[in-house]
Amino acid sequence: DAKTTQPPSMDCAEGRAANLPCNHSTISGNEYVYWYRQIHSQGPQYIIHGLKNNETNEMASLIITEDRKSSTLILPHATLRDTAVYYCIVRVAGAAGNKLTFGGGTRVLVKP
Amino acid sequence: DVKVTQSSRYLVKRTGEKVFLECVQDMDHENMFWYRQDPGLGLRLIYFSYDVKMKEKGDIPEGYSVSREKKERFSLILESASTNQTSMYLCASTPGDRERGYTFGSGTRLTVV
Repeated sequence: DAKTTQPPSMDCAEGRAANLPCNHSTISGNEYVYWYRQIHSQGPQYIIHGLKNNETNEMASLIITEDRKSSTLILPHATLRDTAVYYCIVRVAGAAGNKLTFGGGTRVLVKP
Repeated sequence: DVKVTQSSRYLVKRTGEKVFLECVQDMDHENMFWYRQDPGLGLRLIYFSYDVKMKEKGDIPEGYSVSREKKERFSLILESASTNQTSMYLCASTPGDRERGYTFGSGTRLTVV
């Protein structure tokens, strides 16, 4: 799986959009970009994933650059409950047993 | 929503005990995984299974075994618990043939004394 680079931490004001960057310059053509988050003392939670096109769901939006070497997760209206560590992961989709490798992630603190 | 349920949230066991951690998922997922999470080491894969009665070693299988007798249940077994197995244990599942994300359980924080 390709390696990812994320800033270690960032703050965000409640109600504002949070933009979380991720670099994955060695991504392969068949690798997807996945985002997870982990709230303290809980298991990781799947947020969103994409291959080439931008994606949106009820939790977030994912913007992938045209060369696919970086992406941004957008939380449109951050709430205090969005405080968590956010992980960007690149992996081949659907492969049985293809382990999930979590890097350091970005620790996001949403402030009132 | 898919649910992955781990039987215990917190567990305290003595050194040398045989420990069973249970995980059940309710969405007919083929793949199931056991990870442990430790500060500074991230998530490390212990074992995974892509079908009933099938199992594969992950990165750190030593001291552990698994059982998958039914599709929905994946058990992690610590044959003889040791203090270095004190950790957060996370179970996850995913469909076998699609690019869907993993669904994790809430975790079991095991302390071996």
